[in-house]
Amino acid sequence: DTAVSQTPKYLVTQMGNDKSIKCEQNLGHDTMYWYKQDSKKFLKIMFSYNNKELIINETVPNRFSPKSPDKAHLNLHINSLELGDSAVYFCASSQGDSGNTIYFGEGSWLTVV
Amino acid sequence: AQSVTQLDSQVPVFEEAPVELRCNYSSSVSVYLFWYVQYPNQGLQLLLKYLSGSTLVKGINGFEAEFNKSQTSFHLRKPSVHISDTAEYFCAVSRGGGYQKVTFGTGTKLQVIP
Repeated sequence: DTAVSQTPKYLVTQMGNDKSIKCEQNLGHDTMYWYKQDSKKFLKIMFSYNNKELIINETVPNRFSPKSPDKAHLNLHINSLELGDSAVYFCASSQGDSGNTIYFGEGSWLTVV
Repeated sequence: AQSVTQLDSQVPVFEEAPVELRCNYSSSVSVYLFWYVQYPNQGLQLLLKYLSGSTLVKGINGFEAEFNKSQTSFHLRKPSVHISDTAEYFCAVSRGGGYQKVTFGTGTKLQVIP
């Protein structure tokens, strides 16, 4: 069983479209994240939820909206996609304290054309 | 706020040679330190972490790292690398205690040459 699974793995879409990436974790963790990795491999946190509550919201355009229906799911919706949104988006989860391991999904490759 | 610097963007090394990947952090409070590895087309996975106690930390796949508070460093080492170690390595830091944001470095690409 995959611990953190996200879909779709690959997504090619046109500018201006709206798209969603779904994420589920079966580890029983209380904290979930979305990270963005650009073409230079730089990894930046976008959002973090703890028990469905938003606790980290970095400087991310309003076009990005996370939704956590329950502790095991954290979805990412992106409106009006732009070329600069092309990146790999990683969902991740961990349990509580920041000393605990973060478990990453395999990534969703988004290409905006 | 804490930050982490990985001094080398790429490190080429011959197979079976030793390697050191450098990481320096900046924080005014106690920290937790991590090394994660990312194999091609995969997510990151934890290699090792330092929370407290012994400054020498051993991780998976024969890697180890040493926490040096005076030099604010957490360098990753392996005495003999294999082709399969070719990957991107990320150092990360968070403030100790409770829930805190984890900040990742810019990554070091380890290229093992046969």
